[in-house]
Parts: sequence; C-alpha cells; structure tokens
Amino acid sequence: AQTVTQSQPEMSVQEAETVTLSCTYDTSESDYYLFWYKQPPSRQMILVIRQEAYKQQNATENRFSVNFQKAAKSFSLKISDSQLGDAAMYFCAYRGRTGNQFYFGTGTSLTVIP
Amino acid sequence: EAGVTQFPSHSVIEKGQTVTLRCDPISGHDNLYWYRRVMGKEIKFLLHFVKESKQDESGMPNNRFLAERTGGTYSTLKVQPAELEDSGVYFCASSQEGGWTEAFFGQGTRLTVV
Repeated sequence: AQTVTQSQPEMSVQEAETVTLSCTYDTSESDYYLFWYKQPPSRQMILVIRQEAYKQQNATENRFSVNFQKAAKSFSLKISDSQLGDAAMYFCAYRGRTGNQFYFGTGTSLTVIP
Repeated sequence: EAGVTQFPSHSVIEKGQTVTLRCDPISGHDNLYWYRRVMGKEIKFLLHFVKESKQDESGMPNNRFLAERTGGTYSTLKVQPAELEDSGVYFCASSQEGGWTEAFFGQGTRLTVV
C-alpha cells in the first residue's frame, strides 16, 4: 500500500524568509501524482501545487515550488518570501494514475513569525 | 460556483448516540470521498463514491459506519452507535474523473464523542 510520510510536525519561518517542508512516500507504481494541500485555521483545504511523476521538471506556482526526487521518493515543498497568510497546516498527498484514492501524510503545521 | 460544503461544522455527542454528517459536493463531480483525521495522525481514506455507487469502501473502520449517496448528489455518513475513538475531523472531497485532477475539500466536520 502507498504511504506518505511527513517527518516535521511543526515548522516556523520568519516573514520574507524561505522554508522547506519535507515529504517522502512509498509506492510500487511508476506513474502517479503528488500534491501539496494547505489548510488554514478553520478553513477548507486548498491545493497549493501538484506534480506528475513522469515529468522531470519541478512544478512551480509563484512563491511555491517543489523538489521532486523520484528515485528517492521525495517531494518537498519550498515556500519563498514567506507571508503571514502562509501559516497553515500543509499536507502532502499521493494519488496513483489509475486510482482515485488520495493518500495523505500527517501534516506539517507552519507558523510564520512577523 | 459553490465549493464542497459539509454539515455540521462541529458535533458533540455522547457515546452510544447516532450522528449523521452530510456532504454536498461540487455540482458535476462524480467522485466523492470521505476522509477522517484523528488528532496528530494522517488523513485516512474512508470510502469513495462514483456517482451513487460505492467504488471503494475499504477504509470504513467497521459496520457502525454507513455512507450513502442519494442519486449521485449529496452524501451522508452515519455513525451508529458512536464510540470514543470515532472522534476526529471528517473531511469530504469531490473531484472530476482523472488522476491528474485535484480533489476539492469541504471544511470538515469536527466530531467529538464524549
């Protein structure tokens, strides 16, 4: 079965600085999708960024980028120029190409310090 | 366009009572998922509907949990009778077909069984 591991329960970053959240996963599939979701306090989870496993180029969305290392099964999220609004719980998720189930990690709570 | 909505946002019930959670997915989304997060742990898959049919209910913990999706629209998740270990946040998500597509989440229902 697929598993997703987030080894950092909590992280903090100074406003305007850069932070990297870690995620590793385990799968026997060769084609799949990886996602980072963000859940602000008392609000809905929203998609931050996603990556297709067959693409070598790392995905980027404005201040958010990933470091996807397929051989190492690692999918870290880098947030540049951190803003107060980035404070949230971040979940890494895996989804197989043919399957419909999302597998999530335990989440990383990010605090942004003014 | 309305997002995924869940009712209620919070519920506190006594052990042995019954609770019904409701999820209204985004219109047109055939896929509907239920997930649960117990404090400090990963978000765990409960089940997946495609339209009104249960595609995968392998994550349902036991027969005290019953999920339905009437006419392929909204879904309910009933817990009867509730136990202390059922406490957690129950998330609903919906998506269109395809592994690449993101899942859109509701804000969750926080269930506390006392």
